[in-house]
Amino acid sequence: DAGVTQSPTHLIKTRGQQVTLRCSPKSGHDTVSWYQQALGQGPQFIFQYYEEEERQRGNFPDRFSGHQFPNYSSELNVNALLLGDSALYLCASNGRVNTEAFFGQGTRLTVV
Amino acid sequence: AQSVTQLGSHVSVSEGALVLLRCNYSSSVPPYLFWYVQYPNQGLQLLLKYTSAATLVKGINGFEAEFKKSETSFHLTKPSAHMSDAAEYFCAVIRSGAGSYQLTFGKGTKLSVIP
Repeated sequence: DAGVTQSPTHLIKTRGQQVTLRCSPKSGHDTVSWYQQALGQGPQFIFQYYEEEERQRGNFPDRFSGHQFPNYSSELNVNALLLGDSALYLCASNGRVNTEAFFGQGTRLTVV
Repeated sequence: AQSVTQLGSHVSVSEGALVLLRCNYSSSVPPYLFWYVQYPNQGLQLLLKYTSAATLVKGINGFEAEFKKSETSFHLTKPSAHMSDAAEYFCAVIRSGAGSYQLTFGKGTKLSVIP
């Protein structure tokens, strides 16, 4: 079992650009959540996808959007990047009846 | 709304000493509580979880936590610190409802272990 996998591991983008991060959930999991972890902070919930729909959303602007595919994998898109978007982006998956979330290694995004 | 507060952003202990990391929660309904560990440049790994069963929860790597409703606390302990325990630790609570598993994290406590 490969667990939750994220790609890429590191990314450098310029202000104003757009970025797409990818996540494959743990085998058997159908729910994917995305978190932003700024340096020295705890992870902050961005949104959660289930059955290809956004089920819950945290306090993030519309520049942050996502998608879930029929195979349960997910993408996080961020438009019009700001310097403040620099962070570790974590993907987590869980199953329908299991409250335990498994996290990927994260994607380190640097906006310059 | 659920939230957690971790007391102490940085804790230092000597190798072999007791580890105590504090977490207090605020919740309008019985919470599910978690402790996660994060090593540098890594994702989060679940140490243990409380889901309204036994109040003393045992986790991996010798860690345990006790749910105390009267004190709204869920402190993490380990009897004897090891150098490999040096990492950042996050307490988290689930905001439940409609089958959603949105985790709300504390700001984290960085544990240093002194040889």
